[in-house]
Amino acid sequence: DTAVSQTPKYLVTQMGNDKSIKCEQNLGHDTMYWYKQDSKKFLKIMFSYNNKELIINETVPNRFSPKSPDKAHLNLHINSLELGDSAVYFCASSPWGAGANVLTFGAGSRLTVL
Amino acid sequence: SQQGEEDPQALSIQEGENATMNCSYKTSINNLQWYRQNSGRGLVHLILIRSNEREKHSGRLRVTLDTSKKSSSLLITASRAADTASYFCATSPGAGSYQLTFGKGTKLSVIP
Repeated sequence: DTAVSQTPKYLVTQMGNDKSIKCEQNLGHDTMYWYKQDSKKFLKIMFSYNNKELIINETVPNRFSPKSPDKAHLNLHINSLELGDSAVYFCASSPWGAGANVLTFGAGSRLTVL
Repeated sequence: SQQGEEDPQALSIQEGENATMNCSYKTSINNLQWYRQNSGRGLVHLILIRSNEREKHSGRLRVTLDTSKKSSSLLITASRAADTASYFCATSPGAGSYQLTFGKGTKLSVIP
C-alpha cells in the first residue's frame, strides 16, 4: 500500500488554466505538507496543515489554494497557471510534534505549464 | 530563507569508495535530518540527529553534527551503484516549530 499518494503524476497544461493535485496519506499522520521543487532541485515548503487546520502558509501567490477535507487528504488547487509554476510538487505527511517531524513524501506531481 | 547548504553540489565516486557530504546551516536547530531522492522519485528519510547528539549510525550511514560550527556531515561507506541519488539535509528549528527547511542537495553518482 502506498503511504502517501498523489495524483496526477504528470500534468501538462496551458497558461491561464486552473488545475488541482490531490494527495492522500494512509499513515494516520496529523500533519500534511505541500513542497515545491524547482528545476534546480531546490525544495521549498508552501503549506502545512495539522488536523485540517492551516499552520504554515509561506509566501505563495494566492492563486495557490490548499484544501484539507480531512486529516488524511490535502489537495492543492492552482488558478490562472503561469509559466513559473512549472515544477514538481510534493505532498508529505508527518506525525504531530516538533520532535517527531520526520516526513514521508509522495512520489511527486510534475506540472508543466506551456 | 534557505537554511541548509550542502557541499559539494555534485560528487562522483567509484563503487566501494566512501562518500562524504556536508551541510551547513545558519540558525539554531532542534534536529537535523538527511533525505535521499532517487531520480524522478520522492524524498526518503534516512536518518535524524538531535541537537544534543554528536554522531549517529545507521547501517552504512554515519552522520555527525557540530552545533558550534553549525554543520553536519553524512558519510556513506562502501558505496554501491544503488546509492546514486541526490542527498538533502533538512533542519528543524527549536521547540514549538515543526517546519523542516531543506538544503539544495548533493548529487551523488556511484560508478560501477
